[in-house]
Amino acid sequence: EAQVTQNPRYLITVTGKKLTVTCSQNMNHEYMSWYRQDPGLGLRQIYYSMNVEVTDKGDVPEGYKVSRKEKRNFPLILESPSPNQTSLYFCASSGGGGRPQHFGDGTRLSIL
Amino acid sequence: SQQGEEDPQALSIQEGENATMNCSYKTSINNLQWYRQNSGRGLVHLILIRSNEREKHSGRLRVTLDTSKKSSSLLITASRAADTASYFCATAMEYGNKLVFGAGTILRVKS
Repeated sequence: EAQVTQNPRYLITVTGKKLTVTCSQNMNHEYMSWYRQDPGLGLRQIYYSMNVEVTDKGDVPEGYKVSRKEKRNFPLILESPSPNQTSLYFCASSGGGGRPQHFGDGTRLSIL
Repeated sequence: SQQGEEDPQALSIQEGENATMNCSYKTSINNLQWYRQNSGRGLVHLILIRSNEREKHSGRLRVTLDTSKKSSSLLITASRAADTASYFCATAMEYGNKLVFGAGTILRVKS
C-alpha cells in the first residue's frame, strides 16, 4: 500500500530539547516536503527536497532543519524547539512536476 | 504567502444538499488541486484540474476553473454526513513542484 509514514504521531516536550520527526515514503517519489498547519493559516511549507541531498527552504524554515540522505526518508529536526513551534506537522511526497501530493497522518507537537 | 483563499470559511448544510466552495488565487498556475482533511488527519487528494481545462468531474465532485478570474469552485452534490471535513485548494505553479495551500473551508453536513 502506498503510504507516507510519520513518527511520532504525538509528542509533548520542553523548550530546548532537540527532537526529530521521521518521515518515510514507499512510492519512490523524488519530491518530499514538510508543512505545518496552524488554525486559520492553512498549510505552510517548511522545507522541501527535490531528490537525495537536494533540499531547500520553504516559506517558514526558521528553527527547523532537514536532511535527505536516502530517497525514502526526509526527517524534520528541531534543534532547540520553542513554544511557537507547537503545531500540527505533515510530511508529503509526490512524483514532482505539480503532481498530487501524498500526505502522512500528521505529528502533533506541543512544546512547553 | 498564501496563494489560494477559500470562501466560505465554514459551511453547514443538510444531508442531500449540494455544497459549493470557492477558491481564488493570485498568480499563473500549472494546475489547481482540491484536498480533503478529516479532523486532525492527513490531507487526501480529491481532484486535479489543469490550467487548460475548464471543468472536471469525479463521482459526486465537480470542479471548475476560470483562469481569467483566477478562481475555482468545488461542488459536492448530494452531500452525505461522511463528507464532513475541511477542504483545501492548492495551486501548483507554472514551474517547479511547490503547492501553495489556502486556509480551507470547513464543511459540516448534518444528518
